Amino acid sequence: EVQLVQSGAEVKKPGESLRISCKGSGYRFTSYWINWVCQMPGKGLEWMGRIDPSDSYTNYSPSFQGHVTISADKSIGTAHLQWSSLKASDTAMYYCASSSIPAAGDDAFDIWGQGTMVTVSS
Amino acid sequence: QSALTQPASVSGSPGQSITISCTGTSSDVGSYNLVSWYQQHPGKAPKVMIYEVSKRPSGVSNRFSGSKSGNTASLTISGLQAEDEADYYCCSYAGSRTFYVVFGGGTKLTVL
Repeated sequence: EVQLVQSGAEVKKPGESLRISCKGSGYRFTSYWINWVCQMPGKGLEWMGRIDPSDSYTNYSPSFQGHVTISADKSIGTAHLQWSSLKASDTAMYYCASSSIPAAGDDAFDIWGQGTMVTVSS
Repeated sequence: QSALTQPASVSGSPGQSITISCTGTSSDVGSYNLVSWYQQHPGKAPKVMIYEVSKRPSGVSNRFSGSKSGNTASLTISGLQAEDEADYYCCSYAGSRTFYVVFGGGTKLTVL
């Protein structure tokens, strides 16, 4: 079964650093881009950026460029989303997602992780 | 890039049909046939219901259909069922020089 499995919930203080992960299984990890999507409590979805696991090439939303870093380690089939200095406004659910539908564009996200809840509070 | 515009809520009775609109601009919805729709139940990850405006992934009921006219895309659900009650999000490709997608604000569907 093709799936993305994310790391567990995190509680952090403002200013702390954090890295969350998304591990692919059931397929060749380098086959599909890994996207990150955030959802603030009670709010909608927002695309943050993506990475090509084969060469670690990234695209970022202008809204998140410079505030988060997306990386991948293809040797262990895992992508990461990291912050160097968290803010309270980073409190959200973070999903990784990929598009595996044959012949579809990279924007049709049919595989989703279960989500990682990040809470930033002093 | 602003989020796509969706109605905050829609409702319908079992068996009826409803349509959710998604309005963008000539830079996103109007320029690309790359509109997708996601269903999200409370506490769950989103699930793609429609991609490339009107295509259904394998396993998605044919009660779900999509269309587009100009800068507005639409999701229609026919034969409403209780399990269709969820939040629905549209999403459009919006990149010009680089990959970028934008989501709508979401629509809460209530099955009366």
